[in-house]
Amino acid sequence: KQEVTQIPAALSVPEGENLVLNCSFTDSAIYNLQWFRQDPGKGLTSLLLIQSSQREQTSGRLNASLDKSSGRSTLYIAASQPGDSATYLCALISGYNKLIFGAGTRLAVHP
Amino acid sequence: SAVISQKPSRDICQRGTSLTIQCQVDSQVTMMFWYRQQPGQSLTLIATANQGSEATYESGFVIDKFPISRPNLTFSTLTVSNMSPEDSSIYLCSVEGNREKLFFGSGTQLSVL
Repeated sequence: KQEVTQIPAALSVPEGENLVLNCSFTDSAIYNLQWFRQDPGKGLTSLLLIQSSQREQTSGRLNASLDKSSGRSTLYIAASQPGDSATYLCALISGYNKLIFGAGTRLAVHP
Repeated sequence: SAVISQKPSRDICQRGTSLTIQCQVDSQVTMMFWYRQQPGQSLTLIATANQGSEATYESGFVIDKFPISRPNLTFSTLTVSNMSPEDSSIYLCSVEGNREKLFFGSGTQLSVL
């Protein structure tokens, strides 16, 4: 059974710091991996999608990497801003578009 | 990207009543997904809704409690029936967009008293 773990569960950093969020999974037979952002009481915003054949994707200050052999993905946020404060979720797609979510990392960026 | 309108955005309901959540997509999609996010937890898939067929429910979720309709390729509803305080959660619908990205509605925050 696929399990997704995100570390740390919560993170508080000063503005401007570069940071890394971690996501690990137990079964490397994944179809793809997606990182989402969720603001309090809101829905999810898709940030980056990495196909199983890819190793990384970049969008602006965000970079996501995927290492299937070690069962890990990281989300790198450069020059963090208070507006980046949210919960970040990684999710794997296995089977027929069935997403399996991690519990998320709650990020707080303070001025 | 797909634009998903979900309503209501929030509701406070009495125990024993039912609430129907609507999800409207701006384009035709084959599958729509319904998720639940209990307080402080991550998302759990409730069911997958295909147009023209019965929804497929995940382990732990049953049609009598969470009936789903999918009358066409742009619309779906999820009903939370005979609610109890344990049903207090955020409910989200989701569709697959271009390049296999999954997009989510803004969610329905449900509180059951």
